[in-house]
Amino acid sequence: EAQVTQNPRYLITVTGKKLTVTCSQNMNHEYMSWYRQDPGLGLRQIYYSMNVEVTDKGDVPEGYKVSRKEKRNFPLILESPSPNQTSLYFCASSDSSGVPPGEQYFGPGTRLTVT
Amino acid sequence: AQSVTQLGSHVSVSEGALVLLRCNYSSSVPPYLFWYVQYPNQGLQLLLKYTTGATLVKGINGFEAEFKKSETSFHLTKPSAHMSDAAEYFCAVSELDFGNEKLTFGTGTRLTIIP
Repeated sequence: EAQVTQNPRYLITVTGKKLTVTCSQNMNHEYMSWYRQDPGLGLRQIYYSMNVEVTDKGDVPEGYKVSRKEKRNFPLILESPSPNQTSLYFCASSDSSGVPPGEQYFGPGTRLTVT
Repeated sequence: AQSVTQLGSHVSVSEGALVLLRCNYSSSVPPYLFWYVQYPNQGLQLLLKYTTGATLVKGINGFEAEFKKSETSFHLTKPSAHMSDAAEYFCAVSELDFGNEKLTFGTGTRLTIIP
């Protein structure tokens, strides 16, 4: 089954304790992206990757890091989490080859609480 | 920058009644438009998309949307609401910015179905 998986699904942590949220897709997609969802703000892009070793900032990258060492994986790293990073996080991948954009497939989400 | 406005953060309709969820966008280039649905505790699922061609787009679960360039709108409709349609709906526009397929989302509309 074609899917995007994220782990963990729920995480409660404390300020400053480094954490990683994993994202993996089994569709051989080149494009992957991370979003955060906050009430009243919709989803906002954090980082994206067009291929292995190619990553760039989205609209709200502060406090986050990413890496893309393998095509299927795109982990989101919070080196020193703060309470304002409490949010619902989604990973997405796309089957696009350019114009028009492809369909983006979303993972189930990771609900992060930073106390 | 492109933007999306969803009119009405909450919409309630009776079972069997017409569903109309409104979406207006702003874009300086021909837009690529999407509707996603989010069920509780789940990721986003693509309902339908407009890229080029026919302006009336049919999607899954009986939903459809019409792209109206003159009105910069992409409203989502379904002739007869079902209890299973209760969810949050997001309109989004895609920006193809040097390979970044960023989706700019509206703030969402929560649809409630009244038995």
